[in-house]
Amino acid sequence: DTAVSQTPKYLVTQMGNDKSIKCEQNLGHDTMYWYKQDSKKFLKIMFSYNNKELIINETVPNRFSPKSPDKAHLNLHINSLELGDSAVYFCASSHSGDSSDTQYFGPGTRLTVL
Amino acid sequence: RKEVEQDPGPFNVPEGATVAFNCTYSNSASQSFFWYRQDCRKEPKLLMSVYSSGNEDGRFTAQLNRASQYISLLIRDSKLSDSATYLCVVNGAGGSYIPTFGRGTSLIVHP
Repeated sequence: DTAVSQTPKYLVTQMGNDKSIKCEQNLGHDTMYWYKQDSKKFLKIMFSYNNKELIINETVPNRFSPKSPDKAHLNLHINSLELGDSAVYFCASSHSGDSSDTQYFGPGTRLTVL
Repeated sequence: RKEVEQDPGPFNVPEGATVAFNCTYSNSASQSFFWYRQDCRKEPKLLMSVYSSGNEDGRFTAQLNRASQYISLLIRDSKLSDSATYLCVVNGAGGSYIPTFGRGTSLIVHP
């Protein structure tokens, strides 16, 4: 019944490793997002996909690569993890990506890089 | 100047109090405005959209002042369960659909 789900919920890994976070929404929405919330609690958008196409790509290191196999899924792959990547990563979705849309967030993935 | 600014607080108020938060935004072309609520270690959830004429939902009132470029949230008769971080979101500046979040205002309601 969960509208937006993410796995894993917690991820602890060593510097230099590659990891992926998966996101799925069952709301029938066309647009999905990845956000990063750092230790200062700022929530910053990283990417947005509309119907599997990239529409927002903020200034994010190219070690971060989103992939949308279909409009219900948006995964995030991170190469060569660094200490500064430690944060909570939230996936979200909205109906059409219009500026007036409500965003529905997943529960977050808490990434810790050691 | 940051795109979206909020006083981080915390605002410490007793139950039953009325409390108000403001949020200023820098881009006058912004189109949509929202308040989200985030509980500790949880995801943000929509509290309410903010409409030009102002809007109310129970104990919560949101207002938009385009001339001064700020939005506000008023909470009446505060409950313990209102304790959370309130995030201001501004969207749609200049045709862009990039939502910009403020850093949030922390509210603590005590008995």
